[in-house]
Amino acid sequence: GAVVSQHPSWVICKSGTSVKIECRSLDFQATTMFWYRQFPKQSLMLMATSNEGSKATYEQGVEKDKFLINHASLTLSTLTVTSAHPEDSSFYICSARGYRGIVTEAFFGQGTRLTVV
Amino acid sequence: TQLLEQSPQFLSIQEGENLTVYCNSSSVFSSLQWYRQEPGEGPVLLVTVVTGGEVKKLKRLTFQFGDARKDSSLHITAAQPGDTGLYLCAGERRNFGNEKLTFGTGTRLTIIP
Repeated sequence: GAVVSQHPSWVICKSGTSVKIECRSLDFQATTMFWYRQFPKQSLMLMATSNEGSKATYEQGVEKDKFLINHASLTLSTLTVTSAHPEDSSFYICSARGYRGIVTEAFFGQGTRLTVV
Repeated sequence: TQLLEQSPQFLSIQEGENLTVYCNSSSVFSSLQWYRQEPGEGPVLLVTVVTGGEVKKLKRLTFQFGDARKDSSLHITAAQPGDTGLYLCAGERRNFGNEKLTFGTGTRLTIIP
């Protein structure tokens, strides 16, 4: 199967600092990348969708100035949590999507556990 | 609003038993995917179903897409401890240039040895 690599797998930062999370598709070109947030014991909540070379589309209630998404190439997207606060602590997961056959399939990164202290 | 409701939310059964997880919606999806997620990791794709009424088998796992493409089920026979995890269904509604997955509420499965 396709491989999507997310880095770092965990990070601890001080309140007020910014954190960048990378998502790379290693063996296919991702037409679209997605960023999710997952709270403990809950399902995935879509934060934003990004296509290479264009601005990300954010879901309702997600602050685009706080969660900066850059999709510079077909294999790399980054999520920057700016001025992080403890309430931003969560599990962040990226997904890269490319066409395989007649449907698009999404493959997920390993996730990043962010803890803001 | 959660478009995809999974049931049960939690399930704990003995090794060797059979189980079924349901994924229901009032919306029609162009395809539906099932994932399994381990703690601290990203979801791993198990299967994609596309056609209404489609049935796919993956060893002891059987996936079915409803005729109306609004619901799906996952059946596991002779469950094993390695099946333990969070099972997520996800529906895709194809809107050209804006495809995205909507995830279900999740079913946390525990298989007791």
